[in-house]
Amino acid sequence: DAKTTQPTSMDCAEGRAANLPCNHSTISGNEYVYWYRQIHSQGPQYIIHGLKNNETNEMASLIITEDRKSSTLILPHATLRDTAVYYCISGSSASKIIFGSGTRLSIRP
Amino acid sequence: DAGVIQSPRHEVTEMGQEVTLRCKPISGHDYLFWYRQTMMRGLELLIYFNNNVPIDDSGMPEDRFSAKMPNASFSTLKIQPSEPRDSAVYFCASSSRQGISSYGYTFGSGTRLTVV
Repeated sequence: DAKTTQPTSMDCAEGRAANLPCNHSTISGNEYVYWYRQIHSQGPQYIIHGLKNNETNEMASLIITEDRKSSTLILPHATLRDTAVYYCISGSSASKIIFGSGTRLSIRP
Repeated sequence: DAGVIQSPRHEVTEMGQEVTLRCKPISGHDYLFWYRQTMMRGLELLIYFNNNVPIDDSGMPEDRFSAKMPNASFSTLKIQPSEPRDSAVYFCASSSRQGISSYGYTFGSGTRLTVV
């Protein structure tokens, strides 16, 4: 599985868009980019994933650069409940998911 | 759907005792994963099953750890004998082959294990 790098921590004002970057420069052609988050004391929660096109669902948007070496997860209107550790992971759909250290996102009122 | 169900939620045991953690995956899911989370090492994949068969157990720390999946609706992770360094939160997750490409893994609420 390709390795990803993320900032250790970020913060964002409530109501603003939270943009979480991720670098995956060694990603291969058949590997997806997955995002999960883990709210304190809970199990990780799937957010979104993509291969090369931008994706949007009810939780977030995923923007993947044309060369696929990096991506950004966007939470359009952050709330206090979005405070969590966000994990960016790359891998194929048939492979196991390996979690890195993630980004600790704090939402300030 | 009740989601992935793990039991117990909390377990406190003495060093040297056997510990059994349980997991019921979502009905219809044919992949099951066991993870361990500690402050020092983060989330580590221990083992995963496909159609009840262990596929990759390279993350199992040592022979004291064993996992089974006797049927599609039940899996256990056993530690015998337990040691204080096994203290962690253990998560179970499940998915289907189609689901991995659509909605990823679904995780349970975890079992917090404390070995004293």
